[in-house]
Amino acid sequence: AQSVSQHNHHVILSEAASLELGCNYSYGGTVNLFWYVQYPGQHLQLLLKYFSGDPLVKGIKGFEAEFIKSKFSFNLRKPSVQWSDTAEYFCAVNKAGGGNKLTFGTGTQLKVEL
Amino acid sequence: DADVTQTPRNRITKTGKRIMLECSQTKGHDRMYWYRQDPGLGLRLIYYSFDVKDINKGEISDGYSVSRQAQAKFSLSLESAIPNQTALYFCATSDHRTGNTEAFFGQGTRLTVV
Repeated sequence: AQSVSQHNHHVILSEAASLELGCNYSYGGTVNLFWYVQYPGQHLQLLLKYFSGDPLVKGIKGFEAEFIKSKFSFNLRKPSVQWSDTAEYFCAVNKAGGGNKLTFGTGTQLKVEL
Repeated sequence: DADVTQTPRNRITKTGKRIMLECSQTKGHDRMYWYRQDPGLGLRLIYYSFDVKDINKGEISDGYSVSRQAQAKFSLSLESAIPNQTALYFCATSDHRTGNTEAFFGQGTRLTVV
């Protein structure tokens, strides 16, 4: 079974700082990779996804992620965070072609201070 | 209007009571899922259904049951609620037929078992 690790559980940044959230997965086959965001009191929304092709994926709100197959990683980045980026971020993976059920990481709480 | 609707949004129930959480979707997706979210644990899959006659256990199905009454409806039942089932529950859908494995989430049901 696949698993997902998010090593940063809580991150506090000042506005305009750069962000990088780590995500590593374990699975020997081909995977699809996702980052979801959960704003306070809201449901999960998709930030970006990787299925195949260019390993650098751009998502909404200026976020991007890079798939590095050799490192089993899919780290999320943003060059300059805003206060409105305060949220919980989840990395998720599912098996390519093997159904849609997602395995989630434990999440990273990001707080952006003014 | 939300494409994936969960009812109720909040519920407090007593230990030992039976409770049902409802999920309906207008997206026309064939696959539906129930997850629970606990602080520090991320989202964990309870049950999933790939079609009306298809029900599958997820990683934490004990104490829960589900019913897929129609393609658009997927309900989760707690036969005899216990306090450690206090959590935020999310329903999700995806559409295998388009080849898109992205999941769409409902607003969540916050369940408290006292």
